[in-house]
Amino acid sequence: DAGITQSPRHKVTETGTPVTLRCHQTENHRYMYWYRQDPGHGLRLIHYSYGVKDTDKGEVSDGYSVSRSKTEDFLLTLESATSSQTSVYFCAIRALVSTDTQYFGPGTRLTVL
Amino acid sequence: GENVEQHPSTLSVQEGDSAVIKCTYSDSASNYFPWYKQELGKGPQLIIDIRSNVGEKKDQRIAVTLNKTAKHFSLHITETQPEDSAVYFCAASMGVRGNTPLVFGKGTRLSVIA
Repeated sequence: DAGITQSPRHKVTETGTPVTLRCHQTENHRYMYWYRQDPGHGLRLIHYSYGVKDTDKGEVSDGYSVSRSKTEDFLLTLESATSSQTSVYFCAIRALVSTDTQYFGPGTRLTVL
Repeated sequence: GENVEQHPSTLSVQEGDSAVIKCTYSDSASNYFPWYKQELGKGPQLIIDIRSNVGEKKDQRIAVTLNKTAKHFSLHITETQPEDSAVYFCAASMGVRGNTPLVFGKGTRLSVIA
């Protein structure tokens, strides 16, 4: 699992509430990613980070923000959750700067009612 | 940007038979092509990958082939076993120099029937 943990693993929340998902890694990887997975869409990139305080948008970034104040933690925030953000969220790391290989965490299932 | 198409969306095979999953990509600059296996309730797990300077790569019962001219790559699983049942994803990226993230296909649900 490349030393990746995600918390919480499951969350149910109501429309309009803020939600923060955490990705934690223990192996000092520089690159970290947030994806969402939905039936019929596969995995889609939300945001990624290439270093502390260095982030960039992915394919489906609207409604999401991220922060990375230290190497080991990458936070994904839904400022005001909507039902369309009900999904499974995966964090990933890039194993080495010199390769493209990504390893995924166990995922967080988020339900927005 | 890059677009990855994956076929079929579902595949059923008898135990011991071979399974083939195909992907096409749109950006000729893509040079890295990984395959992931996802079991129910778990995150995707890398099973094999290939770079554009290689035409084929094998790892025991799994192989990946790449046709750069046609812009397609395939996953081959031989002697399938029930534990091969899972969802498989292909992906593509322009690799380290472009620092572009992976673009995934929509997945193939493989069922191996004992």
